[in-house]
This record gives sequence, structure tokens and C-alpha cells, in this order.
Amino acid sequence: AQTVTQSQPEMSVQEAETVTLSCTYDTSENNYYLFWYKQPPSRQMILVIRQEAYKQQNATENRFSVNFQKAAKSFSLKISDSQLGDTAMYFCAFMLLRGTYKYIFGTGTRLKVLA
Amino acid sequence: NAGVTQTPKFQVLKTGQSMTLQCAQDMNHNSMYWYRQDPGMGLRLIYYSASEGTTDKGEVPNGYNVSRLNKREFSLRLESAAPSQTSVYFCASSRQLSNQPQHFGDGTRLSIL
Repeated sequence: AQTVTQSQPEMSVQEAETVTLSCTYDTSENNYYLFWYKQPPSRQMILVIRQEAYKQQNATENRFSVNFQKAAKSFSLKISDSQLGDTAMYFCAFMLLRGTYKYIFGTGTRLKVLA
Repeated sequence: NAGVTQTPKFQVLKTGQSMTLQCAQDMNHNSMYWYRQDPGMGLRLIYYSASEGTTDKGEVPNGYNVSRLNKREFSLRLESAAPSQTSVYFCASSRQLSNQPQHFGDGTRLSIL
């Protein structure tokens, strides 16, 4: 069975600084996707970034980038130039590319950006 | 540009009451999902529907039933609500059962007394 672990329940960062959120996962499979979702206080789940396991190049989306270490089963999210609007819960999710294609979510990291 | 719409947004029930949570998507997606989110835990899959006319159990299906009414709508029913079902419920949809990312609704906060 696949598991996803986010070991940082809460983090804070000063506005304009950089912060890294950690995620590790466990699987014996080779074909999967990894995602980061953002959940602001409005509760909506918003896709931040995704990474295909077969790609060695790390995904980037504007101020968001990942450090994907497949051998270490690590998938961290880096937020550069943090903004107040980045304050949210961040969830790491794993999707196996067969069967149900369901998400396995981590428990989340609550990020607070300080002015 | 509604995306995934869930109703209601909030609901309080008494133990033993029944309730149906509604979900509709306007993106012409084939696959739809129901998750629950509990404090200190990530979202867990209750049921999903790969395509119109099919439904399957997810990780935590006990106490729930679902109906894929048509391509747009996927409802979740609690026949006899229990306090353990107090949670925030999210509906999601994706183009198909694949690596395509899922799009989420805003959630329904359900409290059972």
C-alpha cells in the first residue's frame, strides 16, 4: 500500500522569503504522479503543481517548484518570494497510474506567511 | 465558470437522520469522486465513479451510498448519520480515470450531533 507523510504540521515564513515544505512517500511502484494542492481558508482545493515520476526534471510553476528525489521517495515544495496569499494548508498527494487512479493524501502542512 | 458545485455548504444533523449531499460539475468530466476530510488527516476517498453508470468503493465507504445520476451529478447519501461521520466532504471530478488532476468543489461541512 502507498503512504504519504508530511512531517511538518505547521510552518511560518516571512513575506518575500523562501520556504520548503517536505513530503515523503512509500511505494514499490514505478509509474505514478505526485501533486501539491493548496487549501486556503475558503476550503477550496487548488492544484499547485504536479510531477510525473518518469521525469527527472523538477516541475516549476512560477514561484512554486519541487525537488523530486525518486530514489529517496521525497517530493518537497519550494515557494519563493512568499506572499500573504500563500497562507494555506498544503497537501501532498500520490497517484498510482493504474487501477483506480485515486489520490493518497498526506496530512497537510499549515503554512502561515507573516507580514 | 462554476466548475464543481456542492450543496449544501453547511449542515447539522441529529444522529440517525438521513441526508444527501449533492455534487454537480459542468466541465463534461467523466469521473467523479467523494472524499472526506477529518482534522489531522488528509482527504480520504469514500466512493468514486469512473464514468456514468458506474460506482466503486474507495478507502472508507462504510455508512455511505452514492448515485451517479447522470454525467454531471454524483450524490452522496448518509442513510443513518452517526457522530463519526462529522467531517468536511469534498466532491471532485476529472476528465477521466487517469493521471489528469482532479478539480474540487468547495466542500460541505457536516456536523452530526
